[in-house]
Amino acid sequence: GENVEQHPSTLSVQEGDSAVIKCTYSDSASNYFPWYKQELGKRPQLIIDIRSNVGEKKDQRIAVTLNKTAKHFSLHITETQPEDSAVYFCAASDSNYQLIWGAGTKLIIKP
Amino acid sequence: GAVVSQHPSWVICKSGTSVKIECRSLDFQATTMFWYRQFPKQSLMLMATSNEGSKATYEQGVEKDKFLINHASLTLSTLTVTSAHPEDSSFYICSARNAGLPYEQYFGPGTRLTVT
Repeated sequence: GENVEQHPSTLSVQEGDSAVIKCTYSDSASNYFPWYKQELGKRPQLIIDIRSNVGEKKDQRIAVTLNKTAKHFSLHITETQPEDSAVYFCAASDSNYQLIWGAGTKLIIKP
Repeated sequence: GAVVSQHPSWVICKSGTSVKIECRSLDFQATTMFWYRQFPKQSLMLMATSNEGSKATYEQGVEKDKFLINHASLTLSTLTVTSAHPEDSSFYICSARNAGLPYEQYFGPGTRLTVT
């Protein structure tokens, strides 16, 4: 079955700098890759997603890149702000449309 | 659109009792609902997948007789934690999927269960 690995587990960046979180997946049949942001005690919120027929997608300060050959995808946040502090999860959708989750990255934005 | 509610938001119960958690899709028909459990500082762990009108499919290691799931309608799924123990204390989150949009999952706000 699908396995998703996410790195780093914790990322601390200075406010205004960029943050990059990386995930790898094992099942080449996976074709949907969402990123979720979860604040403490709250539900995961979808922030961006990408399908396998696209290599890159951008939404304001957030972008996701996908390398199907290498089976990895990354989340890029530019011009980070204090409200970006949260835990970010990547996921990959298997053939049953179930989401296989990464372990999460705690992003800390230092003022 | 795509709002999922969950009730209760938090519950405290005594060891040995049962607790029911409801998950509702408010503005769409949820053909599939997922139940997750999340321990502090950990990722979401899928417990089971339920399709409306059929039995839930449980993930390996999840006791189906302990975590009873019912998905009787296209807008409601329930998770009942039977004979709860302190180790069942966790954050339980449901998500719902519309058959017309199979990829997107919409999450409920979660239920914090504490078993004393």
